[in-house]
Amino acid sequence: DQQVKQNSPSLSVQEGRISILNCDYTNSMFDYFLWYKKYPAEGPTFLISISSIKDKNEDGRFTVFLNKSAKHLSLHIVPSQPGDSAVYFCAASAGFGNEKLTFGTGTRLTIIP
Amino acid sequence: DTEVTQTPKHLVMGMTNKKSLKCEQHMGHRAMYWYKQKAKKPPELMFVYSYEKLSINESVPSRFSPECPNSSLLNLHLHALQPEDSALYLCASSQELGRAFFGQGTRLTVV
Repeated sequence: DQQVKQNSPSLSVQEGRISILNCDYTNSMFDYFLWYKKYPAEGPTFLISISSIKDKNEDGRFTVFLNKSAKHLSLHIVPSQPGDSAVYFCAASAGFGNEKLTFGTGTRLTIIP
Repeated sequence: DTEVTQTPKHLVMGMTNKKSLKCEQHMGHRAMYWYKQKAKKPPELMFVYSYEKLSINESVPSRFSPECPNSSLLNLHLHALQPEDSALYLCASSQELGRAFFGQGTRLTVV
């Protein structure tokens, strides 16, 4: 039972344009969401997070949007750069102090120069 | 120092071998984790240690045995593994809820 889903296994975007990565979840207990970026042969790197009390969080080129009613979140990267090419995982946790992260299936983003 | 260091980077072991994976962090994080990642799959949580005590065991087979000797170190002892246990094993640590720092992982191959 995949509680966190990323329905696009891959995405290609022109350099300079906006990249939009999507994530859906089914567990209504999830209240904290994160995005991680992963290069081959490296561990995931934290990018940005959002609590369920917010619907938007921005950090530089990265913005995460949360739609609780739709159980959907998205990561916007603008402008996209070649170094953004990687696999992106969304992750979720339930309840303050709950240390378990449930990861989505990942989206491979390729930025075309 | 914002690193989580894992050793070895690669490990090949036979099904009768005993080996250990090691993980170290010096960020003062209270929680440390082991995740397993198979090819083209998301990381799956195996164990969580909080303040050096095992707080979560995700029904992992006993051939995987975690150990937390102190707040900076986390080990994963391996014994009698199966070829299907071949995967990338990721260690992570965190202080804040969810914001985990990951190591580069140990690529394990069981032959």
